[in-house]
Amino acid sequence: DTGVSQNPRHKITKRGQNVTFRCDPISEHNRLYWYRQTLGQGPEFLTYFQNEAQLEKSRLLSDRFSAERPKGSFSTLEIQRTEQGDSAMYLCASSRPGEREQFFGPGTRLTVL
Amino acid sequence: GEDVEQSLFLSVREGDSSVINCTYTDSSSTYLYWYKQEPGAGLQLLTYIFSNMDMKQDQRLTVLLNKKDKHLSLRIADTQTGDSAIYFCAESPPGSSNTGKLIFGQGTTLQVKP
Repeated sequence: DTGVSQNPRHKITKRGQNVTFRCDPISEHNRLYWYRQTLGQGPEFLTYFQNEAQLEKSRLLSDRFSAERPKGSFSTLEIQRTEQGDSAMYLCASSRPGEREQFFGPGTRLTVL
Repeated sequence: GEDVEQSLFLSVREGDSSVINCTYTDSSSTYLYWYKQEPGAGLQLLTYIFSNMDMKQDQRLTVLLNKKDKHLSLRIADTQTGDSAIYFCAESPPGSSNTGKLIFGQGTTLQVKP
């Protein structure tokens, strides 16, 4: 068990470009979460998967954002037509059903120039 | 509404006790959490408390919950330099028992001076 992994760790892109991040949760964790954290703030919930089903999405997740978890294992978060306001740390977490602890990955830091 | 607030900064001397405070607005929250974030590392769960409890102790950590005032605190006894980090308070809002979604405060930076 190597924990939650996220790739890439850092991404620099120009405004208007599309980016995709990947999260590999802990195996046998069927719950997967995406959060966004801006400088000086706490993480903000974006979306939640149970297995391959996306069961909740935050109002923060505009139409430019899409998340998938096609086989109920890894997940991807895509941001289309990036804006400078998208610059943030994108955190992924996973957990087992019925357990309170979410295990967080190290995050992907996105910088939009 | 969902809102969690914390003071932004706390500085203590090594060996002293640290008390980090948090207020939350949703009295229906079922669980309240404390997470720790060190530079370059992911968030780590320190402890959590169920809303029908007043206190929980785990080694050097003591969590106090005042439901009437919607106030949560984390006390770290014998604070060490390795405790320097950002500490986040988080709540599980009502309806989140099926999802586990968390609402975080903005974090308290704890600085421990040798």
